[in-house]
Amino acid sequence: DVQLMESGGGLVQPGGSLRLSCAGSGFNFNEPYMDWVRQAPGKGLEWVGRIMTKAKNYSADYAASVKGRFTMSRDDSKNLLYLQMNSLKTDDTAMYYCIRDWFTTLYNWGQGTLVTVSS
Amino acid sequence: QSALTQPPSASGSPGQSVTISCTGTNSDVGRFSAVSWYQQHPGKAPQLIIYAVNRRPSGVPDRFSGSQSGNTASLTVAGLQAEDEADYYCSSYAGSNNYVFGTGTKVTVL
Repeated sequence: DVQLMESGGGLVQPGGSLRLSCAGSGFNFNEPYMDWVRQAPGKGLEWVGRIMTKAKNYSADYAASVKGRFTMSRDDSKNLLYLQMNSLKTDDTAMYYCIRDWFTTLYNWGQGTLVTVSS
Repeated sequence: QSALTQPPSASGSPGQSVTISCTGTNSDVGRFSAVSWYQQHPGKAPQLIIYAVNRRPSGVPDRFSGSQSGNTASLTVAGLQAEDEADYYCSSYAGSNNYVFGTGTKVTVL
């Protein structure tokens, strides 16, 4: 079975940085694109970004709300996906989900890790 | 990229059917046959229940079905059961490595 497990969430001050990790298992980690989606407390889902594979030079794209502040990366040798978040704002407070992307479908979701940005 | 439009709420009695709409534009829903639907119970991660407009992942009951007409996609839950009470979100691939989500619909089983 596909499993995705996020970690690295926590409390951070505005302007601070945090790096989230996502460990994948049960599939060939180097094959799919991977995404992050977030959900602010009591709110809807928001797509954050997508990283492609080695064949596509690990190219990534981001939502306008995080572009220039967030960076996705992956280490296929360790089955790990990362989200580096800089210049954090209170609006970035959310549950962050790691997702295995399969042919333009956000197919498998992790359980999420909570990021709280507050002073 | 604007969010796809869903009704805030929908309801039905056990055994009845409920249909949720998801309206986008010809840049997302209408352009790609890539609409998905997710079910989210309180405190849980979203779970895929429909992909590629009308396909069900393994293990999803056939009570859940999807369709699309132009820029509007729909999810129908037939034979409502108590465990179907949840939030439902649609999403669409929007090109250029972007996805857009719907505003979400809370389904209540009366």
